[in-house]
Amino acid sequence: EVQMVQSGPEVKKPGESLKISCKASGYAFTDYWVGWVRQMPGKGLEWMAIIYPGDSDTQYSPSFQGQVTISVDKSISTVYLQWSSLKASDTAMYYCARPVEASWGQGTLVTVSS
Amino acid sequence: DIQVTQSPSSLSASVGDRVTITCRASQGISNYLAWYQQRPGEVPKLLIYGASTLESGVPSRFSGSGSGTDFTLTISSLQPEDFATYYCQKYNTALPTFGQGTKVEI
Repeated sequence: EVQMVQSGPEVKKPGESLKISCKASGYAFTDYWVGWVRQMPGKGLEWMAIIYPGDSDTQYSPSFQGQVTISVDKSISTVYLQWSSLKASDTAMYYCARPVEASWGQGTLVTVSS
Repeated sequence: DIQVTQSPSSLSASVGDRVTITCRASQGISNYLAWYQQRPGEVPKLLIYGASTLESGVPSRFSGSGSGTDFTLTISSLQPEDFATYYCQKYNTALPTFGQGTKVEI
């Protein structure tokens, strides 16, 4: 069974850094793209970035290029999303997922507030 | 970049109604189109992939059609648990793109 388990909710101040995680199991981790989806409060779903764990090839949506960094640790089947300087507008739910896969992570709520 | 445009953005319907949602790609994407359902407070759920293949466990009242640039999600007889937001997603490239969503309301 494919499972994606994300790290817990975060409350941060503007300007702080953050790294959230997604641990995958139940499939050949290095063979499938894994990405992050943002959902701002009351808004739609947006793919932010995606990574191929086999060779760490990455792609970013133009809206998120330079704003976040996606990375992977193959040894522990975990994908990360990090920010170097959070803004209030980063407040959202973040999901990890494989494209066209029923199992998503449970979501990580990130709240950025002074 | 290929854009996906979903319509309508919202619709009102009643239990038992037939509901149709459309998704249009700005260029051909073959059948690399999926549909998701999201109820409030829940993780999105995959309904259909390959434009018309029903994900395991999804009720048969859901169906998808189309190829190239024009796609349709149909709910043949709306049930109370179907009131939700629906998203199309193209995945002809490594990084997918969602449509804007369609909220199905009573």
